[in-house]
Amino acid sequence: DVKVTQSSRYLVKRTGEKVFLECVQDMDHENMFWYRQDPGLGLRLIYFSYDVKMKEKGDIPEGYSVSREKKERFSLILESASTNQTSMYLCASSVPSGSSYEQYFGPGTRLTVT
Amino acid sequence: DQQVKQNSPSLSVQEGRISILNCDYTNSMFDYFLWYKKYPAEGPTFLISISSIKDKNEDGRFTVFLNKSAKHLSLHIVPSQPGDSAVYFCAASLQGGSEKLVFGKGTKLTVNP
Repeated sequence: DVKVTQSSRYLVKRTGEKVFLECVQDMDHENMFWYRQDPGLGLRLIYFSYDVKMKEKGDIPEGYSVSREKKERFSLILESASTNQTSMYLCASSVPSGSSYEQYFGPGTRLTVT
Repeated sequence: DQQVKQNSPSLSVQEGRISILNCDYTNSMFDYFLWYKKYPAEGPTFLISISSIKDKNEDGRFTVFLNKSAKHLSLHIVPSQPGDSAVYFCAASLQGGSEKLVFGKGTKLTVNP
């Protein structure tokens, strides 16, 4: 069974802190994604990675960075958290397109920056 | 520039009736479309998809229709059940095997008992 896990369901951080969100998938998928979901704005892509150590900016990469040292793990880093980064963060993974475009999502991390 | 649009933020239907969720897109290079369902405090789950070479795909109570000339797709749920109450996202993928999906903003469906 497909499984994407995220390190925390809920997180509260202070403005200026460095924040790490971890995502692990057990499906041996090449592609991994980070999104944020905000009311009325849908899912917006922050970064994605198509291979170990490879990354590509999504639609809203400002204020974020990522790390993918192992195939199964994709980390999202908020270098200096700000209140406008309060959001639901969703990680997803997929196989290379051509066989399926389906992305499998983790349960999400609700981050509050105070 | 919003390439995938879900113009209805919310929809309310009675249990047992049909729910129709709509999605419009602007990029004619999209060739694969997906619907996801999302409950509060959970990640989205894949529901159904359709390739641009088809105009209909059915899976149980869920049917997706694609009208390429109008750049419009719709998700029909028949009959609707209270457990279908969730936010539904339409997503599209670009021709040529892009790894990324472009999501709409979502429609919140409420099915009343």
